Amino acid sequence: SQQGEEDPQALSIQEGENATMNCSYKTSINNLQWYRQNSGRGLVHLILIRSNEREKHSGRLRVTLDTSKKSSSLLITASRAADTASYFCATDRGAGANNLFFGTGTRLTVIP
Amino acid sequence: DTGVSQDPRHKITKRGQNVTFRCDPISEHNRLYWYRQTLGQGPEFLTYFQNEAQLEKSRLLSDRFSAERPKGSFSTLEIQRTEQGDSAMYLCASSSRTRGAEAFFGQGTRLTVV
Repeated sequence: SQQGEEDPQALSIQEGENATMNCSYKTSINNLQWYRQNSGRGLVHLILIRSNEREKHSGRLRVTLDTSKKSSSLLITASRAADTASYFCATDRGAGANNLFFGTGTRLTVIP
Repeated sequence: DTGVSQDPRHKITKRGQNVTFRCDPISEHNRLYWYRQTLGQGPEFLTYFQNEAQLEKSRLLSDRFSAERPKGSFSTLEIQRTEQGDSAMYLCASSSRTRGAEAFFGQGTRLTVV
């Protein structure tokens, strides 16, 4: 079964706007990762945030993690048409976990 | 190209046939994963190798599925007696020996069973 759930399922914005996607999960984790997937392609790793971190930045990406609420958010600032893709959060399941569990993703469309 | 590579990219097969996919991970990565993804869904974990040892298998991996990583380098995923429900994207990923390290994915093999 999948661990995370992304919200919203689909998001459509104008180029230049910010996009925020949320992820909720169910069990304790060591870290949470965000991935991007263009249609029909493999997943590209975006950013990893550890359970003892609350916020992390990478370029136009900002990720937050609230372990008390078991939730994370991904903010893409100044969006571009090339950001159009599906975005997934993935979590392990804490100690001993060796694999990632993905949500169903948020489909982001950036309109030029 | 030093990323994860998968072969073939696309496979169309008739129901009942056997298929085999190959994954070549990033060379220094000792961990290798197989996932399956259907349209509109996130990837679902199938199995995990650390070096040549298959340490974890999902209940999704029925008896018709078998995966190997004979020398701890490349891996193969075989599906026997394919069914239409096996149609999906099969993704391979690898990561380093550090727990919690990011996983790098290949482009996937899209299987269509007709």
